[in-house]
Amino acid sequence: DTEVTQTPKHLVMGMTNKKSLKCEQHMGHRAMYWYKQKAKKPPELMFVYSYEKLSINESVPSRFSPECPNSSLLNLHLHALQPEDSALYLCASSQDVTSGGISTDTQYFGPGTRLTVL
Amino acid sequence: GQNIDQPTEMTATEGAIVQINCTYQTSGFNGLFWYQQHAGEAPTFLSYNVLDGLEEKGRFSSFLSRSKGYSYLLLKELQMKDSASYLCAVRRNYGQNFVFGPGTRLSVLP
Repeated sequence: DTEVTQTPKHLVMGMTNKKSLKCEQHMGHRAMYWYKQKAKKPPELMFVYSYEKLSINESVPSRFSPECPNSSLLNLHLHALQPEDSALYLCASSQDVTSGGISTDTQYFGPGTRLTVL
Repeated sequence: GQNIDQPTEMTATEGAIVQINCTYQTSGFNGLFWYQQHAGEAPTFLSYNVLDGLEEKGRFSSFLSRSKGYSYLLLKELQMKDSASYLCAVRRNYGQNFVFGPGTRLSVLP
């Protein structure tokens, strides 16, 4: 099973709403990621969790709040978003293993949640 | 800082071979990945290089030269379904920090 699942597939929210994006993997991966992707642009890394601890926060505004309840789940809580936050939000996971100083990781991406902020 | 560069668009003919280049300058290096992304879909993993040389996987091959900060993805026997964006991504050598290039939009014509 090399599947990363994300819910919902589509989300429309107002600027005063609170919503959450969910991501799940059952590959035993210990690193999980949130990316934001605007149309015709590459994915931009937002957050990385490694062994359920936040290891990277790429200066993301506090209106985005990640949470990793366990090694299989990753959430992204959204509050008071702006229209410019509309994008495809991608979750990914990887094994997070290093052998002899060389990391042999590969990321697997979920299908994404297409978010529209009105 | 980091800078990753790829051609914006390429066009090739069905059955042909195409090479997509990626140059990078990053603070730290621990591997270069190639992903394919069809419009509206998630990226899917194609290939990975961490040491210099060529990695071959069926119709796809990827090459890396760390001293030159250069990689390419070679696609052989092109098919219409290969029309997609191709993203190179560099993993920096701390944590699990990946940086994606701008992507190359490949159009395969009959």
